[in-house]
Amino acid sequence: GDSVTQMEGPVTLSEEACLTINCTYTATGYPSLFWYVQYPGEGLQLLLKATKADDKGSNKGFEATYRKETTSFHLEKGSVQVSDSAVYFCALSDRGTYKYIFGTGTRLKVLA
Amino acid sequence: EAGVVQSPRYKIIEKKQPVAFWCNPISGHNTLYWYLQNLGQGPELLIRYENEEAVDDSQLPKDRFSAERLKGVDSTLKIQPAELGDSAVYLCASRGDGEAFFGQGTRLTVV
Repeated sequence: GDSVTQMEGPVTLSEEACLTINCTYTATGYPSLFWYVQYPGEGLQLLLKATKADDKGSNKGFEATYRKETTSFHLEKGSVQVSDSAVYFCALSDRGTYKYIFGTGTRLKVLA
Repeated sequence: EAGVVQSPRYKIIEKKQPVAFWCNPISGHNTLYWYLQNLGQGPELLIRYENEEAVDDSQLPKDRFSAERLKGVDSTLKIQPAELGDSAVYLCASRGDGEAFFGQGTRLTVV
């Protein structure tokens, strides 16, 4: 079945450092791809999405590009802030069933 | 616009007791999901509704879990009886034409 694999955390960075969180997927169809963020005690918030190959999703300085050839959707940010500390989930959604499948999450901690 | 509303936010019950969670999706969203999130893990689908029809409940433990979505709007998820291993966060989400939006979840602790 479909699945999402993302790098294990925690990832600890200093403020203004560059961030990359790797995400790869396996899908029988042509899914949409998402990054969700979860702050402590909160639900999941959509960070960005991409619906077709080579699309770049971006929001709040975060970016991710839908790479069909490598089945990847890596999350990047050029300069992280303390407020970016959270758990980040990569997810795919099957276009036919709209079932969302999530990775295990990567905890990011940014130090001042 | 109000988001997905879940209640209660927190629930502590003794094992073997029943418990129910409630979800009010975003107005106009036909698709409603219930997800289970264990500590340190990603959410896992329990059940998905299209309007009032449960179209994917293959991962719902039907011996103790049940769900309903009357009139295709609000939904309830019930566990009876609860077990220690059911301690987790239960997330509700809804989707219209685009992406899914999640509620804040109900954190269940079974003691």
